[in-house]
Amino acid sequence: ETGVTQSPTHLIKTRGQQVTLRCSSQSGHNTVSWYQQALGQGPQFIFQYYREEENGRGNFPPRFSGLQFPNYSSELNVNALELDDSALYLCASSWTGSTDTQYFGPGTRLTVL
Amino acid sequence: QKEVEQDPGPLSVPEGAIVSLNCTYSNSAFQYFMWYRQYSRKGPELLMYTYSSGNKEDGRFTAQVDKSSKYISLFIRDSQPSDSATYLCATRTQGGSEKLVFGKGTKLTVNP
Repeated sequence: ETGVTQSPTHLIKTRGQQVTLRCSSQSGHNTVSWYQQALGQGPQFIFQYYREEENGRGNFPPRFSGLQFPNYSSELNVNALELDDSALYLCASSWTGSTDTQYFGPGTRLTVL
Repeated sequence: QKEVEQDPGPLSVPEGAIVSLNCTYSNSAFQYFMWYRQYSRKGPELLMYTYSSGNKEDGRFTAQVDKSSKYISLFIRDSQPSDSATYLCATRTQGGSEKLVFGKGTKLTVNP
């Protein structure tokens, strides 16, 4: 077990709706990264938060946004959902500045109809 | 050209076989190399993590990195049905946002 948890496990939304996914990082980790994993693909980096500030962003539009809170929790928000947003969303926690790597949660499976 | 290339398979082997999984990468700035195992509908689980060229062994698993040819490998000895999963190679640069760049993953089935 990595100590990283995510909620909900899965959810179904319709096109145009908004969704909030939640993550609780491993205790003591100051960095959270979010990834999108489409079926049959490797995870793609969405963005990273370090000390509650965005610290790097992948090739995703602004309707993907996030928040990180002081209590090791974080959120991924997606507005104006599109069918192609259907994927497994993974959060990963780490300690910036160390040589250690990222540890993933179980993911939230989002289906957009 | 994708930054990390990985043959998606699928790969099917008999129990006890030696499995070889491979990735190539294009960015010489990548310094850290990882292998994650992902069971169906689960999050990736870290298997191996290496920094330099050479071999790293952990039980039945050996990770190999050749920076000169930009080639990374994972070997599984005495494969077991419980090894059936998708194996993802990943890499990142040193410093910066530390984003991980993944291959597509190779789906492995070990048949009893």
